[in-house]
Order: sequence, then C-alpha cells, then structure tokens
Amino acid sequence: EVQLVESGGDWVKPGGSLRLSCAASGFTFTNAWMSWVRQAPGKGLEWVGRIKSKTDGGAADYAAPVKGRFTISRDDSYNTVYLQMNSLKTEDIGVYYCTTDQYNHGYGYWGHGTLVTVSS
Amino acid sequence: QSALTQPASVSGSPGQSITISCTGTSSDVGGYNYVSWYQQHPGKAPKLMIYEVNNRPSGISNRFSGSKSGNTASLTISGLQAEDEADYYCSSYTSISTLELFGGGTKLTVL
Repeated sequence: EVQLVESGGDWVKPGGSLRLSCAASGFTFTNAWMSWVRQAPGKGLEWVGRIKSKTDGGAADYAAPVKGRFTISRDDSYNTVYLQMNSLKTEDIGVYYCTTDQYNHGYGYWGHGTLVTVSS
Repeated sequence: QSALTQPASVSGSPGQSITISCTGTSSDVGGYNYVSWYQQHPGKAPKLMIYEVNNRPSGISNRFSGSKSGNTASLTISGLQAEDEADYYCSSYTSISTLELFGGGTKLTVL
C-alpha cells in the first residue's frame, strides 16, 4: 500500500523558517518525481514545486511565489522528501500536501497534508 | 501567472450528467495534453480522476471522462451520484514560469 506521510507543520512568525518532511512507502521512491502542493484555508490548490529523481538529474523547480525562499530536497536512503521554507509570509498559510507525479503531470498519490500557520 | 478558469459551482440531479470547464491559454491547456482533474471532499486530500486529458487511473469509474478543445478542457460526470458531491480542480502543465497550474476549483452540488 502506498503511503505518503507529511510532518513538520507548525505555527511560525512572519520571516521565520520551517522544514516539512514527507516519508514515502509502498512504491519505488528512487524513481519518483516528488511534488508539494498547498491549499490556503477555504481556497484552491496551488503547486509549490517538485524534485526529479536522481536518475533524471535530481533538479528542483519552484512556483514563482516561493522561488528563492523554498528549497525541496530528497534523501533516497530514507525515502523522504523535504520542503525547507524560509522567509515565511502570511500568504504561505495553508495545508501542504506531498504528492507524486505519477502520470505525466497527473498526481496520483497524495499525503494527508500538514498545516502551516504564519502569524505574529 | 493566473490560475486556470473554472466555474465556481455546478449542480445536477442524481442520474444526470454535468460538465465542468477549465479554460487556459495556448501556453498550458491548449498547448499540451497534460491536463488532469482532481476530486476533493471536505477535509480530504485531492484524488486524481483524469490524467493526460482523457485517461482514468485504475479504479476510477468510467462515469468520469475528460476532453479538450482548443484552450478549454472539460470533465464530464455521467449518472450523477450523491457521493460525487465535492470540489473539482483541473490542472495543466505550463511552459511559462510556474510549471503547473491549477484551476480555481468548482463546487459540484448533487441536488
């Protein structure tokens, strides 16, 4: 059974930092392109970024609103993908989902999400 | 970069068919066959219903179908059931800046 389990969501002040983790199991993680998608309270989905598999180069790409502030990395030995979030803003508030690009930009597996709150 | 455009809400009675549209540009929906559709029930994670415009993942009912014409993609749900009541989001690869765009979401109400 495929499982994606996010953790690390918390309350942080504007300008602060947070690192989210997503532990994967039930599929070949080393071959997977992993993405983060977020959802502000009562709002729609927003793509945050993704990291390719190491065999495909391992590069990460980001959405414009988070570029330069967020960094995605992966540790294939722990089947885990990370989202390092710096210089957090109130507009970064939301549930952050970990997901797999399983079907050519179709995200097949999703975690349950972890909540990030940014407030003074 | 703007999100893809979806109607805010649609509704239908059990057994009927409904269609949700998703309008983009030639840089996303119109330029690539990488349109996906997701269903999201309140408090739950999204669920992939359609990928690459008109393909269903294993386990998804054939009541769900997708299509595309020009810069507009569509999701059709036939034989509406109560459990289809949810929010639906489209997404597309884009060649501009952000690699993936989502639509603003459509709330489906089954009357």
